[in-house]
Amino acid sequence: QVQLQESGPGLVKPSETLSLTCTISGGSIGSFYWNWIRQSPGKGLEWIGDINSGWITKYNPSLKSRVTISLDTSKNQFSLNLNSVTAADTAMYYCARRVEMGIYDAVDIWGQGTKVTVSS
Amino acid sequence: SSELTQDPAVSVALGQTVRITCQGDSLRDYYASWYQQKSGQAPQLLVYAKNNRPSWIPDRFSGSRSGNTASLTITGAQAEDEADYYCHSRDKSDDHVVFGGGTKLTVL
Repeated sequence: QVQLQESGPGLVKPSETLSLTCTISGGSIGSFYWNWIRQSPGKGLEWIGDINSGWITKYNPSLKSRVTISLDTSKNQFSLNLNSVTAADTAMYYCARRVEMGIYDAVDIWGQGTKVTVSS
Repeated sequence: SSELTQDPAVSVALGQTVRITCQGDSLRDYYASWYQQKSGQAPQLLVYAKNNRPSWIPDRFSGSRSGNTASLTITGAQAEDEADYYCHSRDKSDDHVVFGGGTKLTVL
C-alpha cells in the first residue's frame, strides 16, 4: 500500500529555511493532492499547503508569503520550503495524501511525521 | 477563510455513546472528514463523505451532518477510543483546507 516518509533536518536556526521532503512509496503521484500539515507542541493540526499532479499549489494564507511546495515526479517526492523561520515554526511536520471528490475531502494517508525545532 | 469550531474536551463513560461536533459555514457546502490522533501518533482517517469509513475502522464510529454542524458519533465507546479527534473540510471561498481545533476525548 502507499506509504509516505518525511525526511529533513530536525534542527533549523532562526531566520533560515526549513526544508523537508516526502517520499511516496507503493504508489504514484496520480490524481491526488499532496499536503504538508504541521502540529505545534500541544496544539492542533495546521494545514500548510498542497500540490497536485499539475503542479498547482495552494497555501494557507497565514503562511503563504514564506512557503513553497514543489513536486519531483521522477523521484516520487514532494517538498516543503518554509523560509524566515522562528520559534513559532517548531512543530511536528506531516506529509499527507488528500483526495478531493466534489463535496468532500479525505486525508487518507499520513506520514509518521518529523519533528522540527527552530533554535540557535 | 472559514473556521471549524470544536469543543476542546468531551468525556464519556465506558460503553456509552458520545457525539463530537464540528461547526462551520463551510460544512453547508462540504462534508466533514474526521481523524483520530492517539498520543505520539500521526492522525488517521476515521470517517469521510456522508458516512464512509476505511475498512479497518470499527463501525461504532459514524458521521452525520445537519446545517453547518458535522458530528462524529462513537456508539459504545471503548478505552482505546481515548484520543484527540479533528474534523476537516474545505473552504468554498478560497478552496483551502481547514481543520477544527480538535476535541480531546476522555473515556471514564
